[in-house]
Amino acid sequence: GAGVSQSPSNKVTEKGKDVELRCDPISGHTALYWYRQSLGQGLEFLIYFQGNSAPDKSGLPSDRFSAERTGGSVSTLTIQRTQQEDSAVYLCASSPSGTISYEQYFGPGTRLTVT
Amino acid sequence: TQLLEQSPQFLSIQEGENLTVYCNSSSVFSSLQWYRQEPGEGPVLLVTVVTGGEVKKLKRLTFQFGDARKDSSLHITAAQPGDTGLYLCAVPLPPGGFKTIFGAGTRLFVKA
Repeated sequence: GAGVSQSPSNKVTEKGKDVELRCDPISGHTALYWYRQSLGQGLEFLIYFQGNSAPDKSGLPSDRFSAERTGGSVSTLTIQRTQQEDSAVYLCASSPSGTISYEQYFGPGTRLTVT
Repeated sequence: TQLLEQSPQFLSIQEGENLTVYCNSSSVFSSLQWYRQEPGEGPVLLVTVVTGGEVKKLKRLTFQFGDARKDSSLHITAAQPGDTGLYLCAVPLPPGGFKTIFGAGTRLFVKA
């Protein structure tokens, strides 16, 4: 079956521009997560959605970052006025709600480069 | 200070060797997961352990959860080049367990 997809796969933008990153979760998965991974590092939690609501936004690095999810499906992560330190791979994952182990299925990521 | 400390950070070995990587914390967790990530891809779940002292085997990979549920190890027997990747441990945080914290990972390179 179809896995988690993300677009674009690569994005190069100039400092100060806004960017939108898209995530299409596995059909039927109610939980959706965004992470950031800097070069060679582990994953940094950004935000998660249960349905369309985001109970925990504590991981968003600054108010330049925002995310939304519509129809319990597609999610968009928006970064306004991008800075060079925003350069990283942004990973999305989805999970079927109610599983005791909270297994997450990841997309391939969007590599963001801010010049 | 990281909630999860993984060691070693980097490991380069010859094909056929055995290795163990570790994931340690001072906190107790209800469960712990191991993921493997290959270049250009997202992490893929290998295993979830939930019981203190639990041992799970996945072909040549053996996972153990510490008795006190504070640490875990991953042992690979007769490593192959296909085992190359970034090995990450992860734990769900209360309440609800939806916020997941990852370790920084162990980057393994297996030379043919």
